[in-house]
Amino acid sequence: SQTIHQWPATLVQPVGSPLSLECTVEGTSNPNLYWYRQAAGRGLQLLFYSIGIDQISSEVPQNLSASRPQDRQFILSSKKLLLSDSGFYLCAWSVQIIKGTDTQYFGPGTRLTVL
Amino acid sequence: QKEVEQNSGPLSVPEGAIASLNCTYSDRVSQSFFWYRQYSGKSPELIMSIYSNGDKEDGRFTAQLNKASQYVSLLIRDSQPSDSATYLCAVIDRGSTLGRLYFGRGTQLTVWP
Repeated sequence: SQTIHQWPATLVQPVGSPLSLECTVEGTSNPNLYWYRQAAGRGLQLLFYSIGIDQISSEVPQNLSASRPQDRQFILSSKKLLLSDSGFYLCAWSVQIIKGTDTQYFGPGTRLTVL
Repeated sequence: QKEVEQNSGPLSVPEGAIASLNCTYSDRVSQSFFWYRQYSGKSPELIMSIYSNGDKEDGRFTAQLNKASQYVSLLIRDSQPSDSATYLCAVIDRGSTLGRLYFGRGTQLTVWP
């Protein structure tokens, strides 16, 4: 069966510090991978998605970046965090069998607080 | 930009009642529809997916889809306090090569004993 891991689970960082969040998927090959952010009391915002190694697309211009160095690894980074980067960061995966029917499954999330 | 609208709630029902959650979306190319449940402080978990018009039942949950009206709903029968959570509606475009999901902002459900 497939599983998705995220770490760390929680993180408190000062403004201006760097960030690295990691997501790994087990039990599947060539998944689509996604990074979302959920700010307090707000909806899910898609940040990045990837259909393969080194194939990253950004949804929202900001001070975050993403990389996919391996098929089942997705990393979210920042060189300098802002207060507005606080939130719940979720990684998700899907595998497209039939176009338009992909089901996304979420990891446990990382709660980031920037002080 | 696809719009997915949900009543933010909170929706409050007594234990044992039927909870009805509604979702509308902005265009007719949407293909697949999903309901996720999110407990406070946790990540969303998939409850139901529905692709065709009509009803789809899974245990106490029934998803209803009406593509002509651009409307999808989730019914929870015999509601339990453990059903108290935020329910997210999501849709995918027909023919999407990515599987990009568009989410509503969620409806908060409280089931009181």
